[in-house]
Amino acid sequence: EPEVTQTPSHQVTQMGQEVILRCVPISNHLYFYWYRQILGQKVEFLVSFYNNEISEKSEIFDDQFSVERPDGSNFTLKIRSTKLEDSAMYFCASSLTGLGEKLFFGSGTQLSVL
Amino acid sequence: GENVEQHPSTLSVQEGDSAVIKCTYSDSASNYFPWYKQELGKRPQLIIDIRSNVGEKKDQRIAVTLNKTAKHFSLHITETQPEDSAVYFCAAKIGTGTALIFGKGTTLSVSS
Repeated sequence: EPEVTQTPSHQVTQMGQEVILRCVPISNHLYFYWYRQILGQKVEFLVSFYNNEISEKSEIFDDQFSVERPDGSNFTLKIRSTKLEDSAMYFCASSLTGLGEKLFFGSGTQLSVL
Repeated sequence: GENVEQHPSTLSVQEGDSAVIKCTYSDSASNYFPWYKQELGKRPQLIIDIRSNVGEKKDQRIAVTLNKTAKHFSLHITETQPEDSAVYFCAAKIGTGTALIFGKGTTLSVSS
């Protein structure tokens, strides 16, 4: 069964550093998403992406965040200057049908900002 | 904005019993309601979903019911098995938006 893959599984960084989280969505999917989950809290929507542009973003997705599809397979989330409160599990997801439905999630990247 | 409340936060049942998890949502424009299962250390997986034009949907031992008037929806698992033990998340989506708003999750423990 095709899966969304994410790398790395764990990322430790110093406050103020830039991090890039990588995702390979399912190959025939066209809609891509980033969600995050702070320990013990809800899964929260960050951004959706389609046709090489952002479709929707939440209040969390401020200027320090950016997304990119640099080639035909990868989808990345960049955090420019990490803060302690960015520590969370970051999930990438993709879907075929769009409109935020039938999402397939990756296994996540645990980001720890020290 | 949309808010999704999920109850209970933990649920313990005996194998063979039924389990019910309930969620309420705030925005009447919500029209899509998926349920995800997340086993320890694994990714969330979609187990069932329902749209607002349907009142109930069933898939083997799993069913979801939706009450649009009361703005709540529930997950029903019958004949529970130890492998049903996981964290279950409900979510809701508003209109043509792409964002899923998740509940806080229910940790289901099925003991044999």
